[in-house]
Amino acid sequence: GEKVEQHESTLSVREGDSAVINCTYTDTASSYFPWYKQEAGKSLHFVIDIRSNVDRKQSQRLIVLLDKKAKRFSLHITATQPEDSAIYFCAASRATGGNNKLTFGQGTVLSVIP
Amino acid sequence: EAAVTQSPRNKVAVTGGKVTLSCNQTNNHNNMYWYRQDTGHGLRLIHYSYGAGSTEKGDIPDGYKASRPSQENFSLILELATPSQTSVYFCASGDRGASNERLFFGHGTKLSVL
Repeated sequence: GEKVEQHESTLSVREGDSAVINCTYTDTASSYFPWYKQEAGKSLHFVIDIRSNVDRKQSQRLIVLLDKKAKRFSLHITATQPEDSAIYFCAASRATGGNNKLTFGQGTVLSVIP
Repeated sequence: EAAVTQSPRNKVAVTGGKVTLSCNQTNNHNNMYWYRQDTGHGLRLIHYSYGAGSTEKGDIPDGYKASRPSQENFSLILELATPSQTSVYFCASGDRGASNERLFFGHGTKLSVL
């Protein structure tokens, strides 16, 4: 089955700098790659996703890049703010059939230092 | 706003005891999921469901059963709880649509098996 590796277990950046979190996946049939954020003591919520028909997507300060050849995708957070501090999870799925069964990475703890 | 409610929020169980974790969603989503979150593993899928009456095995189903008696409710059952099942459990709901495949998560249930 699919395996998703999240390369940075922890990441510290200074407020205003950019943060980059990298993930790789194994299943060449995966076509949907979302990112979720978990703030301290809270549940996960969706932040951004990318599908395999594009290689870049931006939503305000969040940019997702996808390299299908390398089976790699990344989340870039620009102009970081303290409220960006959280655990970020990447995920992948084949997005076929009737379900959106996701395989998650291990999570990256991002700390934004004021 | 999509809503997924889990109960209980915290549970202490004894080894060998039976534990039932409940999840209710008001999103009218067809698909529901049970994940467990452990440090170093991220979120791992235990069971999922396509709709009332359906349950499917996820990536780590051993030691767990699931029940989906209605569109709104999805339960996770540990018939004989073991200390290795100590974890935080998240329920999620979602639907596959042309533009929105995101999952909505509950707040989690922290289970300790002593």
